[in-house]
Amino acid sequence: SQQGEEDPQALSIQEGENATMNCSYKTSINNLQWYRQNSGRGLVHLILIRSNEREKHSGRLRVTLDTSKKSSSLLITASRAADTASYFCATQPASGNTPLVFGKGTRLSVIA
Amino acid sequence: DTGVSQDPRHKITKRGQNVTFRCDPISEHNRLYWYRQTLGQGPEFLTYFQNEAQLEKSRLLSDRFSAERPKGSFSTLEIQRTEQGDSAMYLCASSRLTYEQYFGPGTRLTVT
Repeated sequence: SQQGEEDPQALSIQEGENATMNCSYKTSINNLQWYRQNSGRGLVHLILIRSNEREKHSGRLRVTLDTSKKSSSLLITASRAADTASYFCATQPASGNTPLVFGKGTRLSVIA
Repeated sequence: DTGVSQDPRHKITKRGQNVTFRCDPISEHNRLYWYRQTLGQGPEFLTYFQNEAQLEKSRLLSDRFSAERPKGSFSTLEIQRTEQGDSAMYLCASSRLTYEQYFGPGTRLTVT
């Protein structure tokens, strides 16, 4: 079963605009990670935020985590056509050494 | 710098045939994961190894599926008596313990 649920399912923006994607999950987590997947390819790790962190930055990416609401957001600033991809959040549950649980993803289209 | 590699990249097989996929992880990573991804969905966990020990198997992994990781290096995933429902992208990832996972390009299986 998939724990994370991304919102929206699809997002289309103009180049230069910011893109925000949200992720909600159900159980307590150890950490939450965001991945990008270009069409038909493997996933690329973007950023990891631990359960005791509230915000993290990496280049044009900003991730927030609200454990009280069991939600996270990924902000991509100044988007580029190359950012067009599917974005997945993945949670590592706090209970034991269980592997990542992925959501269904947000399909982002950045129009030049 | 070598990442995770998977072989083959594409496999077309007839229903009822057996198939085997190979994954070579990043050499210093002791964890290796297998996921399955269907169109429009996020990756779903199948099984994972820590070194040569298979620590967890998903309920998705029926008796027709078997995975091995001899000597804690590369891993193979075998599907016996393939069914059309097995058509999917099979992704392999590796990591150091509970850190971020690095994914291979995947093996796309089509069962006709």
